Amino acid sequence: AQRVTQPEKLLSVFKGAPVELKCNYSYSGSPELFWYVQYSRQRLQLLLRHISRESIKGFTADLNKGETSFHLKKPFAQEEDSAMYYCAAEGNQGGKLIFGQGTELSVKP
Amino acid sequence: GAVVSQHPSRVICKSGTSVKIECRSLDFQATTMFWYRQFPKQSLMLMATSNEGSKATYEQGVEKDKFLINHASLTLSTLTVTSAHPEDSSFYICSAEVALNTEAFFGQGTRLTVV
Repeated sequence: AQRVTQPEKLLSVFKGAPVELKCNYSYSGSPELFWYVQYSRQRLQLLLRHISRESIKGFTADLNKGETSFHLKKPFAQEEDSAMYYCAAEGNQGGKLIFGQGTELSVKP
Repeated sequence: GAVVSQHPSRVICKSGTSVKIECRSLDFQATTMFWYRQFPKQSLMLMATSNEGSKATYEQGVEKDKFLINHASLTLSTLTVTSAHPEDSSFYICSAEVALNTEAFFGQGTRLTVV
């Protein structure tokens, strides 16, 4: 079955510390992987996608097909990074996104 | 980026009544829209794929007679929760893509409370 797993419900770090939000997937074929972010009282928005290989707001994510992982990383967390982060996968079924459970990132001053 | 708007953002209804939620793409045409349900502190669960001009495709376990989806135009999809019960209380979110396999833009969500 297609599945996206985020093992951490809550991740709390201090400002300036590195952060890694874990995501593993179980998917047939070659899915496209995404990270979405939801700031407090705002709608879900795309943070980055693996095919673009870009860094957004200092975040990067590398697709590791061997480990079926797509972990999100940032070397120095900022307080404004505090939000809910969702990993998602999309197959070739016309845009259907399967979301992970979400990880709440809390960056403390 | 493209804008997707949901209306209403919050609704309270009595058990047994029906509620309609609208999802509009404001500045682009969306052949396909998606409806999700989100429980508190949990993930988004895909309910159905809404295709303009044709029947929606429902995910396993989602009652199509309970959650009626209509996609009458390229900019509007509606979700009607029929004969609502308290267990239908949830956060409903829609999304739309400009084109297949491009970025999905999400609505702000609708908080439904059935009393």
